[in-house]
Amino acid sequence: GAVVSQHPSRVICKSGTSVKIECRSLDFQATTMFWYRQFPKQSLMLMATSNEGSKATYEQGVEKDKFLINHASLTLSTLTVTSAHPEDSSFYICSARVRGGGKTDTQYFGPGTRLTVL
Amino acid sequence: QQQVKQSPQSLIVQKGGISIINCAYENTAFDYFPWYQQFPGKGPALLIAIRPDVSEKKEGRFTISFNKSAKQFSLHIMDSQPGDSATYFCAASISNSGYALNFGKGTSLLVTP
Repeated sequence: GAVVSQHPSRVICKSGTSVKIECRSLDFQATTMFWYRQFPKQSLMLMATSNEGSKATYEQGVEKDKFLINHASLTLSTLTVTSAHPEDSSFYICSARVRGGGKTDTQYFGPGTRLTVL
Repeated sequence: QQQVKQSPQSLIVQKGGISIINCAYENTAFDYFPWYQQFPGKGPALLIAIRPDVSEKKEGRFTISFNKSAKQFSLHIMDSQPGDSATYFCAASISNSGYALNFGKGTSLLVTP
């Protein structure tokens, strides 16, 4: 149980295009989903927190107009990188926090999406 | 500002040995401390987690030791195996306050045959 999927796993796009990444909790409902960014050999940096049906909360320094987050349901959140540039190339990982029960602190991570902007 | 400090940055252990990774934090409001294992190109996988009311938690070969007064916690991997070679991250979060994880910088573990 507690599986989180991400799609696509890898995407290559041209500079200036927009890319949408989906994050789904497959076998549980997620109260909150988080989006992280990870550069090679570095730690995960939280970009934003999203709760179903409300606006995402962005971390300092993260442009909300560039990284659009939609949390349409308790099992789906999307991250859209708008007008992507080469510096946006990174590994994007989502996580989902279990809704209810005794494991509400637990976050399960997706497999990540490798974005390369040419 | 790194809220959770992790050491060492890299670690080499022989097969069968004990791997020890340490983390320290400053914010006493943290009340949930998980450890994650990450293989190259994959998302982090939850290994084990602890709360401050417990000083030790063991799951299989993995043990967390927690020292509340010192604001430190550590991961011990007993009988380390080559398959344990990965990057390990400690993290901390505050319940009922967003639950956002603050990650350490990670430890790259290599277990040699």
